[in-house]
Amino acid sequence: AQSVTQPDIHITVSEGASLELRCNYSYGATPYLFWYVQSPGQGLQLLLKYFSGDTLVQGIKGFEAEFKRSQSSFNLRKPSVHWSDAAEYFCAVGGYGGSQGNLIFGKGTKLSVKP
Amino acid sequence: DSGVTQTPKHLITATGQRVTLRCSPRSGDLSVYWYQQSLDQGLQFLIQYYNGEERAKGNILERFSAQQFPDLHSELNLSSLELGDSALYFCASSIGTEVKETQYFGPGTRLLVL
Repeated sequence: AQSVTQPDIHITVSEGASLELRCNYSYGATPYLFWYVQSPGQGLQLLLKYFSGDTLVQGIKGFEAEFKRSQSSFNLRKPSVHWSDAAEYFCAVGGYGGSQGNLIFGKGTKLSVKP
Repeated sequence: DSGVTQTPKHLITATGQRVTLRCSPRSGDLSVYWYQQSLDQGLQFLIQYYNGEERAKGNILERFSAQQFPDLHSELNLSSLELGDSALYFCASSIGTEVKETQYFGPGTRLLVL
């Protein structure tokens, strides 16, 4: 069965520092991978997604993620964090491939940003 | 603003009661998904509807049911409520049924069962 692991429950970084949030997935075939962000009191917003092709994916708000099949990872990165990036970040894998759309989410990583 | 609306925003009720959560998808989206977010289980997929028909089922309890109406809005019915049903319930919508399509999430309905 598909699963997603986000090893870090909470990360604190200083404003302007770089960020990497880890995500490992378990899936038999080529996965459909997503990163979502949830700001306090808000719904989830898609940052980026990967299906195939270039393993480095660019998203919104200056985020990028790299798919590494050999490590079953899809880590999210940002070169310079802004205070407004403080939120909870969820990695997800597509449930069953093309014909069913549900997502399987990791437990999330809460990001705090120090001034 | 994702374009997905959910009502009510907050709901407080007692154990054993029944509630209905409502979701209006983005204009043009035919798929509606329901997810439950709780502290212990995280974000879990409950059920998906596409153009009025049930498309996929996840970890949805038998006490819970959903439907999608001809105008494409959806309702999630939760009955015989238990304390453990307290959670944030999200609705999401997408154009079709494929997982590669972006799902747009509503702001959620926070349910508290006392």
